[in-house]
Amino acid sequence: AQSVTQLGSHVSVSEGALVLLRCNYSSSVPPYLFWYVQYPNQGLQLLLKYTTGATLVKGINGFEAEFKKSETSFHLTKPSAHMSDAAEYFCAVSIRDDKIIFGKGTRLHILP
Amino acid sequence: SQTIHQWPATLVQPVGSPLSLECTVEGTSNPNLYWYRQAAGRGLQLLFYSVGIGQISSEVPQNLSASRPQDRQFILSSKKLLLSDSGFYLCAWDRGNGRNTIYFGEGSWLTVV
Repeated sequence: AQSVTQLGSHVSVSEGALVLLRCNYSSSVPPYLFWYVQYPNQGLQLLLKYTTGATLVKGINGFEAEFKKSETSFHLTKPSAHMSDAAEYFCAVSIRDDKIIFGKGTRLHILP
Repeated sequence: SQTIHQWPATLVQPVGSPLSLECTVEGTSNPNLYWYRQAAGRGLQLLFYSVGIGQISSEVPQNLSASRPQDRQFILSSKKLLLSDSGFYLCAWDRGNGRNTIYFGEGSWLTVV
């Protein structure tokens, strides 16, 4: 069965600094991979997803993620953090007909 | 375009009272429907999912139940709420086969007092 692990339940970065949120997955077949963002008291919104093809995926709000099969990773990055990026971020994986599996989430704090 | 709505947005209920949270999806047919619960620091817990009318699968034993009376309607219920039922409840849908994007509603805050 597939699984997903997000390293770090809380990450703090300074405004303007690089954002790096880590996600590793486990899957015996090629997965679909997702990043979702959740702002306070709201539902989750899709940031980006990898299906097939280009391994570097660009999403909304300047975020991107790279699928690295050899490392079974799908880390989320943004070159320059903005205060509005403060939120909780969820990595997720799905394969075949199985339900999507979410990681436990990483709360991103932006320091002024 | 497709939209998903859930209500009420906020609910405060006494222990032992019933619960009904409703979710509807517009702009698609035969979606997969999901209820998740989010408790502080515990990520997303899948409670129920449905692949069709009247077809409900429960992921965890609990005090809650779900029903799908219509294709695009999903209801989360309880006959008697417990304090531990407090949390943020999210309805979601996708087109099926596990490889499509899942879309979430706005969420419902339930506080059991």
